[in-house]
Amino acid sequence: KAGVTQTPRYLIKTRGQQVTLSCSPISGHRSVSWYQQTPGQGLQFLFEYFSETQRNKGNFPGRFSGRQFSNSRSEMNVSTLELGDSALYLCASSSLGDRGTDTQYFGPGTRLTVL
Amino acid sequence: AQSVTQLGSHVSVSEGALVLLRCNYSSSVPPYLFWYVQYPNQGLQLLLKYTTGATLVKGINGFEAEFKKSETSFHLTKPSAHMSDAAEYFCAVFKLGGTSYGKLTFGQGTILTVHP
Repeated sequence: KAGVTQTPRYLIKTRGQQVTLSCSPISGHRSVSWYQQTPGQGLQFLFEYFSETQRNKGNFPGRFSGRQFSNSRSEMNVSTLELGDSALYLCASSSLGDRGTDTQYFGPGTRLTVL
Repeated sequence: AQSVTQLGSHVSVSEGALVLLRCNYSSSVPPYLFWYVQYPNQGLQLLLKYTTGATLVKGINGFEAEFKKSETSFHLTKPSAHMSDAAEYFCAVFKLGGTSYGKLTFGQGTILTVHP
């Protein structure tokens, strides 16, 4: 099976712009979680989607949003970019998802740089 | 609030020496526990996990970890370090119950350096 894929791998934006990141989960996986990784804050949970519904959200401002499609692919959007949004954004998928505690498999990440 | 503490942000060992990376969690209910490894410019790769059952868990690349409820610990070990083990290691937990869907809580990470 192919692993979790994320596109694009690298992105450079300027302050005030918006950005959309994409994640394709492992085939058959229905739960997708997103994380932000920075040197200062480490790995922080953004949100989780299951069957096109957001079931959980981390402590991030409303500029961060996401969605999931019927084929389980997910996108996250960040509007009005700030310098502090520069980070590695990781997507993870899991198989069953009913309890939301199944093993997560991570993609390679999207490195976002905000200038 | 649930938290995960990894003792030591940097650990340095010689090739062939024992690797010990420490992880302690705080939770009123034993959580599900995971160790992930991250190589430069890559995502996270699952090393091993503990959910229920045997407390000594074996993972990939010769790593293992033991869940000790009395010590709220889940330390990662490998008997003999290899140069290819150099990476950053993350301990993570799933809180059981409540509405923690899909939310892994991570420790701050431990960078492992292996010297020849």
